[in-house]
Amino acid sequence: GQQLNQSPQSMFIQEGEDVSMNCTSSSIFNTWLWYKQEPGEGPVLLIALYKAGELTSNGRLTAQFGITRKDSFLNISASIPSDVGIYFCAGLRGTSYGKLTFGQGTILTVHP
Amino acid sequence: GAVVSQHPSWVICKSGTSVKIECRSLDFQATTMFWYRQFPKQSLMLMATSNEGSKATYEQGVEKDKFLINHASLTLSTLTVTSAHPEDSSFYICSARGASGGWEETQYFGPGTRLLVL
Repeated sequence: GQQLNQSPQSMFIQEGEDVSMNCTSSSIFNTWLWYKQEPGEGPVLLIALYKAGELTSNGRLTAQFGITRKDSFLNISASIPSDVGIYFCAGLRGTSYGKLTFGQGTILTVHP
Repeated sequence: GAVVSQHPSWVICKSGTSVKIECRSLDFQATTMFWYRQFPKQSLMLMATSNEGSKATYEQGVEKDKFLINHASLTLSTLTVTSAHPEDSSFYICSARGASGGWEETQYFGPGTRLLVL
């Protein structure tokens, strides 16, 4: 099925560094969601974005819904070892009957 | 709020047996639940959409007779892997979509069920 273009695929960073990842699409989405998944667990919702241009923060995480409605980014500031995991973006269209379109995921590794 | 549970968290079974996985929304009503399959280090692959009181809608390539889905109430959906074979071994994850309020456009995921078929 169709996927969002998520980049980078993986990141290896030092503790304390900032992280940025993004998702792009050729199609418009009404909702953008960012999830984090740890090994052996289901994805956990980090941030939900419902309006174009919306900028939302959740602690050290900040995400934005692109003005064109075709992209979104997630920033993590001052990374810590527990930020390790796979981050997925997901988009929702009004005509998709609730079905999410996922990005390929960004594997984040944080070195102490 | 918005907690989704799955049971069991892991299961090992013999080839040819059937396995049932439950997905429950604990603190909200879910008109729609989704079942995903995930291979290591890959994204989630949608298998089917489950609506309360109606037949599930399966994605292309997913055998409906192999993966039976029942959405009996607004808080429970089950996935039964019938006559399981080793190639069915995977991580199965459900998600639930809220029935009202701002959760309508948001999906909350269960913790997943690891299935190993010997």
